[in-house]
Amino acid sequence: GAGVSQTPSNKVTEKGKYVELRCDPISGHTALYWYRQSLGQGPEFLIYFQGTGAADDSGLPNDRFFAVRPEGSVSTLKIQRTERGDSAVYLCASSSMGLAGYHEQFFGPGTRLTVL
Amino acid sequence: AQSVAQPEDQVNVAEGNPLTVKCTYSVSGNPYLFWYVQYPNRGLQFLLKYITGDNLVKGSYGFEAEFNKSQTSFHLKKPSALVSDSALYFCAVRGFSSGSARQLTFGSGTQLTVLP
Repeated sequence: GAGVSQTPSNKVTEKGKYVELRCDPISGHTALYWYRQSLGQGPEFLIYFQGTGAADDSGLPNDRFFAVRPEGSVSTLKIQRTERGDSAVYLCASSSMGLAGYHEQFFGPGTRLTVL
Repeated sequence: AQSVAQPEDQVNVAEGNPLTVKCTYSVSGNPYLFWYVQYPNRGLQFLLKYITGDNLVKGSYGFEAEFNKSQTSFHLKKPSALVSDSALYFCAVRGFSSGSARQLTFGSGTQLTVLP
């Protein structure tokens, strides 16, 4: 079956611009996560959705970052007034919902964001 | 707070030899532990997980990991390494108490190189 897909695969933008990154999770997965991976680092959590609602957005670095999942499937990560420090690979993951939440997360290929 | 340490940035091993990639963790209560592998320009691929039960967990591609509660470790192992195992490996943790965050906390990664 289809895995997690992310578009675009690469995004180059200029400092101060607005960008949107899209994630299409595995069909039927109710949990969706966004992570950010900087060069030489492990992924760092940004935000977690259960269904349509953001259950935990404690990883968002500041109010320039926002994410939505209006119909409980596709999610969009939005970054306003981009800064050079936002350059990273943005990873999306989804998982099925278990009572204890131990189901593994399946990751997309990521979107490489470069802010010039 | 939960954390993961991967003490080795780089592990080199000869093809056919056993390999170990080390991971230690810190989490409140009992952990859920995961190993992921990342190939160049690819997303993370799930290898295996420890939830409960047998301390030796078997996963994809002949990999296994041993959970050691007293040492808070979850080292990844394979009896006979292949050149194709060369990749970046990440250990991740989350707690399973009711108040635990659902997102994963990742280590900084270990680059495994298997030499022919």
